[in-house]
Amino acid sequence: EAQVTQNPRYLITVTGKKLTVTCSQNMNHEYMSWYRQDPGLGLRQIYYSMNVEVTDKGDVPEGYKVSRKEKRNFPLILESPSPNQTSLYFCASSLFSLTGSEQYFGPGTRLTVT
Amino acid sequence: SQQGEEDPQALSIQEGENATMNCSYKTSINNLQWYRQNSGRGLVHLILIRSNEREKHSGRLRVTLDTSKKSSSLLITASRAADTASYFCAEYSGAGSYQLTFGKGTKLSVIP
Repeated sequence: EAQVTQNPRYLITVTGKKLTVTCSQNMNHEYMSWYRQDPGLGLRQIYYSMNVEVTDKGDVPEGYKVSRKEKRNFPLILESPSPNQTSLYFCASSLFSLTGSEQYFGPGTRLTVT
Repeated sequence: SQQGEEDPQALSIQEGENATMNCSYKTSINNLQWYRQNSGRGLVHLILIRSNEREKHSGRLRVTLDTSKKSSSLLITASRAADTASYFCAEYSGAGSYQLTFGKGTKLSVIP
C-alpha cells in the first residue's frame, strides 16, 4: 500500500531534550516536506526537500533541522525543543514537478514539549 | 510566502445541501490544490486545478479558479455527514519556489 509513515505518532518530552521524528514513504517520491499545524494558523511549511541531499527552508524553519540521505526518508530533528514547538506535525511527499503535483500526507505526530 | 485565506472559517449545513468554500491567494500561481482533513488526521488531496483552467470536476466536487481575482471556490454538492471535515486550499507558484502554501481552512459540519 502506498503510504507515508511517521513515528512516533505521539510524543511528550521536556524542554531541551533532543528528539527526531521519522518520516518514510514507499512511493519513490522525490519531493518530501514537513509541516506544523497549529490552531488558527493552518499548516505552515518547515522544510522541504526536492531530492536526496537537496533541502530548503520553508516558512518556519527556526529550531528545526532535516536531512535527506535516502530518497525514502526525511527525518525532522529538534535539537533543543521548546514549548512553542508543541504542535501537530505532518510529513508529506509527492513526485517532483516544476508545475507541482498532489501531496500525500502522513498521519501526523502530536508533539508536546513541557 | 504568505498564506491565503479561506472563507468562511466555519460552515454548518444540513445533509443534502450544497456547501461552497472560497479561497483567496496571494501569489501568481502555477496551480491551486484543495485538501480535506478529518479531525486531527492527515490531509487528503481532493483536486488540483492549473492556472490555465477555469473549472474542474471530481464526483460531487466542483472547483473554479479566477486568476484575475486570485480566488478559487470549492463546491460540494448534495453533502453527506461524511463530508464533515476541514477543507484547505494550497497555492503552488513554481517559478523557483517549490513550496505549497496552505490557507487556514474552512471547517465544514454537515448535520444529518
